[in-house]
Amino acid sequence: NAGVTQTPKFQVLKTGQSMTLQCAQDMNHNSMYWYRQDPGMGLRLIYYSASEGTTDKGEVPNGYNVSRLNKREFSLRLESAAPSQTSVYFCASKNTLGGLNQPQHFGDGTRLSIL
Amino acid sequence: AQKVTQAQTEISVVEKEDVTLDCVYETRDTTYYLFWYKQPPSGELVFLIRRNSFDEQNEISGRYSWNFQKSTSSFNFTITASQVVDSAVYFCALSDPGTYKYIFGTGTRLKVLA
Repeated sequence: NAGVTQTPKFQVLKTGQSMTLQCAQDMNHNSMYWYRQDPGMGLRLIYYSASEGTTDKGEVPNGYNVSRLNKREFSLRLESAAPSQTSVYFCASKNTLGGLNQPQHFGDGTRLSIL
Repeated sequence: AQKVTQAQTEISVVEKEDVTLDCVYETRDTTYYLFWYKQPPSGELVFLIRRNSFDEQNEISGRYSWNFQKSTSSFNFTITASQVVDSAVYFCALSDPGTYKYIFGTGTRLKVLA
């Protein structure tokens, strides 16, 4: 059972380059999330998708776009990468039909460095 | 506004000591859930426990225990007889009832020394 799969695991970009981080879940969850993790700041929500066909901004959406391609997949795009976007990115999914008590399930993360 | 505070940035203990990780939250909602996650050095986030706002019973799972007190808006996590494998960053999170989003604390790094 794969759970939440993120690709790639590591990436180095130059300033100004674009890139899409991929996320797929096989748990039939309806909600999906993108976070970034920076030292001393915990996890901050970038964007989320409460259900297929909907996306909403989180706490730190600037510089990012997302696409909920289908129920399984939720991608995060950096159109013009900046050094401030160097971070570890986590994708998560959750079965919100089960109510508040369902935990979010996380992928293993993508470590992204912008030079 | 909702907020989760983990005031302890880093804690170091010697193996077999007990250690408590603090989590204080703020919310105006009457129904909410609190969660603890563990992030070991390998980097993944592992779900540990959830607690709803109507259940103030403490919970014990092996060496782990959780103390939820609504009166002080706290959801503290205690590891008894700590082991080196407990070394990790631990996150507390509050679930927003309207959007199901999590509000995370900044995490507490626990180092258990042999």
